[in-house]
Amino acid sequence: ETGVTQTPRHLVMGMTNKKSLKCEQHLGHNAMYWYKQSAKKPLELMFVYSLEERVENNSVPSRFSPECPNSSHLFLHLHTLQPEDSALYLCASSLSGNQPQHFGDGTRLSIL
Amino acid sequence: QKEVEQDPGPLSVPEGAIVSLNCTYSNSAFQYFMWYRQYSRKGPELLMYTYSSGNKEDGRFTAQVDKSSKYISLFIRDSQPSDSATYLCAMTPRAGGTSYGKLTFGQGTILTVHP
Repeated sequence: ETGVTQTPRHLVMGMTNKKSLKCEQHLGHNAMYWYKQSAKKPLELMFVYSLEERVENNSVPSRFSPECPNSSHLFLHLHTLQPEDSALYLCASSLSGNQPQHFGDGTRLSIL
Repeated sequence: QKEVEQDPGPLSVPEGAIVSLNCTYSNSAFQYFMWYRQYSRKGPELLMYTYSSGNKEDGRFTAQVDKSSKYISLFIRDSQPSDSATYLCAMTPRAGGTSYGKLTFGQGTILTVHP
C-alpha cells in the first residue's frame, strides 16, 4: 500500500464545476507537491509546499488553487477548468527538497 | 532544447535480455539523479536514487551517472515480463531557494518485456 493516498481516483467534471482533489501522506515527510501528467509529455511540477508554506508556484493558472493545512494533507481546488486540463494529477511527498519524492497513484481528471 | 532528453521508445525485448535505458541532460547544476518506474494506472515508484557521478546497484538494477558527459543510464539484468512499464528519469540541483524540490523529468521510456 502506498504511503501517499489520493482521492478520488477518477473525476469527471464540467467546465463550470468546482471540485477538490485530496492527498494524504503517511510517511512523516515535510514537503508535498502537485504534478500534472499529460500523454507524451514529461511530468509538470505545479506547486511545492514545505512545512505547509508554498515555496513554488510554477506559473500555474489561477483556476488551480492549492491548500496545505498541515504537513500530511494537500488539496488542489479546481474551478472553471478547460478541456486541456484533462490529465493525471499526481501528488508526491519528500523528507526535504533534495530527497526522493514518493508519489500517489493520481487522480484521472476529465473535463467535459 | 529540453533540459532532459529521454527516448520515449517503445522498447520491446525478450525475457532475460539486458535492458539499457538512458537520459541526457543539459543543466550542469543537476546533482541528484533518480529513476522511477510507472505501471499503467499507477503513480511513479522510486527505483534508484544517486548523488553525483558513479554506479549504484540494487538487485537486477544498476544506475550509472556520468556527469562529464551529462548522461545517466539504468540497466536491468535478466529482464522479466513484470518489468514492463514506463521508466522515468528525474534529476535536481542542490535544493534551496527556487530549486527546492524541483525535479526535472524525462518524457519516459515505455518498456515491454515479452515472454
